[in-house]
Amino acid sequence: QKEVEQNSGPLSVPEGAIASLNCTYSDRGSQSFFWYRQYSGKSPELIMFIYSNGDKEDGRFTAQLNKASQYVSLLIRDSQPSDSATYLCAVTYSGAGSYQLTFGKGTKLSVIP
Amino acid sequence: DGGITQSPKYLFRKEGQNVTLSCEQNLNHDAMYWYRQDPGQGLRLIYYSQIVNDFQKGDIAEGYSVSREKKESFPLTVTSAQKNPTAFYLCASSMGTENNEQFFGPGTRLTVL
Repeated sequence: QKEVEQNSGPLSVPEGAIASLNCTYSDRGSQSFFWYRQYSGKSPELIMFIYSNGDKEDGRFTAQLNKASQYVSLLIRDSQPSDSATYLCAVTYSGAGSYQLTFGKGTKLSVIP
Repeated sequence: DGGITQSPKYLFRKEGQNVTLSCEQNLNHDAMYWYRQDPGQGLRLIYYSQIVNDFQKGDIAEGYSVSREKKESFPLTVTSAQKNPTAFYLCASSMGTENNEQFFGPGTRLTVL
């Protein structure tokens, strides 16, 4: 059973603070990890992906991956009210020559002005 | 403009009717996917296709059918056998490789009356 676990939240942070979103996964063979942002009533938007252990930074976003602990996180620096959304963690698993994503249920982030 | 389009945006169905949701992409992606999202839930995979004229069942394929006659198109039919079809339906596409960045269309919200 491929599982991706996220704290459902809501996670509330004040404007300008760092938001930390966490995700654990069960498949030790997973190689690719993605963070999507989903505004209410809209479709998911890819914001970060990471394939190697360590940190990957893109603007205000940093993805962190620890394969030994089967843990991936997303940090949002200088949080803005426009960051208020649900953040979905997704993990690739492979089978029969194809690649699918397993999604967590998402963490709802609220940035308070 | 490159992207993924889905139509219609909203769809209302009477019980016992089949309905077809459209998904088209002009990203030249090989792989296409259909997901279902229920309130407070993550995305669940219905069907996916890696190449034209081939597709596989995902985790919740019962009551759904698909076709892949063209690379650009992957329509989903929700049949009367689907017991609880009211949901947000999302189509995605990717290159189909292991580092499998999937991009989503805007979604179709289906309501059964």
